[in-house]
Amino acid sequence: DAGITQSPRYKITETGRQVTLMCHQTWSHSYMFWYRQDLGHGLRLIYYSAAADITDKGEVPDGYVVSRSKTENFPLTLESATRSQTSVYFCASSDFGSKGSYEQYFGPGTRLTVT
Amino acid sequence: GESVGLHLPTLSVQEGDNSIINCAYSNSASDYFIWYKQESGKGPQFIIDIRSNMDKRQGQRVTVLLNKTVKHLSLQIAATQPGDSAVYFCAEPSNTGNQFYFGTGTSLTVIP
Repeated sequence: DAGITQSPRYKITETGRQVTLMCHQTWSHSYMFWYRQDLGHGLRLIYYSAAADITDKGEVPDGYVVSRSKTENFPLTLESATRSQTSVYFCASSDFGSKGSYEQYFGPGTRLTVT
Repeated sequence: GESVGLHLPTLSVQEGDNSIINCAYSNSASDYFIWYKQESGKGPQFIIDIRSNMDKRQGQRVTVLLNKTVKHLSLQIAATQPGDSAVYFCAEPSNTGNQFYFGTGTSLTVIP
């Protein structure tokens, strides 16, 4: 199916465990992003990637690791999950200006609970 | 750094009335803005964008107004419908242009 997908949609994990959230897009967009959404904070950028093998930190990168070996995939790993990482995580992709628009296409989100 | 704020975190309107959602920004050099809509349980969805060389842009039932003098933009929704109930975000690019800053959002509730 065309679009942007995230998996899993829901995840409960324990403090200290490693968790990987997956993101896949079928548009061959160059840019991909990971956000977290918490009440009172809106959407905050964790990491972004301008192309395969190019990643950069966003506003709140601590405790997270990303990789992008293929254009279509952008996994986000919590190396040792903490309760403060309980949140809803959104992945997004974009052409980012290549056609005059900076519209980001968001996935459906992953609701992560760390106990 | 930039900050993107929203006035009135919640807004309730009667079905059929017009809605106005406001957004203040702090970076006078920002040259592009986007409005997103986020329905409950879903990811944000693009509504409309505007460049700083424009004061107004219209889409289907939506209009965005940009006032660069006071660094303010607004999203107007005409004849608001129940399906318009959602959280609305404005976003502006960072200085590097590689990322966007989102406001905290305004929750719009349409009363039937």
